[in-house]
Amino acid sequence: DAKTTQPNSMESNEEEPVHLPCNHSTISGTDYIHWYRQLPSQGPEYVIHGLTSNVNNRMASLAIAEDRKSSTLILHRATLRDAAVYYCIPEKPRGNEKLTFGTGTRLTIIP
Amino acid sequence: EPEVTQTPSHQVTQMGQEVILRCVPISNHLYFYWYRQILGQKVEFLVSFYNNEISEKSEIFDDQFSVERPDGSNFTLKIRSTKLEDSAMYFCASKGHPNSIEQYFGPGTRLTVT
Repeated sequence: DAKTTQPNSMESNEEEPVHLPCNHSTISGTDYIHWYRQLPSQGPEYVIHGLTSNVNNRMASLAIAEDRKSSTLILHRATLRDAAVYYCIPEKPRGNEKLTFGTGTRLTIIP
Repeated sequence: EPEVTQTPSHQVTQMGQEVILRCVPISNHLYFYWYRQILGQKVEFLVSFYNNEISEKSEIFDDQFSVERPDGSNFTLKIRSTKLEDSAMYFCASKGHPNSIEQYFGPGTRLTVT
């Protein structure tokens, strides 16, 4: 499994963009980069994933470095509901792949 | 929107007792998982299940643990003889098909072993 490094915590003001970084320098060529988040007292929730190109969905954007050794999850306009622990998880798709969660980044949103 | 459900939300049991945690994955999903999270620690993979058999299990998933899909809709995790260190949140997850990426997690069952 690729090792990941994320800041332990970050803060952002409500309604401002948030950039959550992740280093995954040992990622293999076939690993997808998944991002999940865990809201307080809830199960993890899928946010977004990508392989090489930047990706957008209704929740967030994912910017992937050209060498794929790092990625950044972008929340364009943070709301209080986005306060959660965010995990980046490189993992090879093989049908029944497990997710290996690290300690993630605890995002606090300041009203 | 379809969701994974888990029952009970909280289970209290005495050390040495058997517990069964129940999950109803999203209908038509093919891949099933159990994870656990000890309070204040990481979410840890326990086991994956596909085509009525275990695909992969972690070191945590020893002989005290078993999984079953008894009736095509439920997916259960049994702990035969609970220990204090089994106290944790247990999350069930499911995934649709081989090419899908997203795992859908349930709200979890909090297991407290006294």
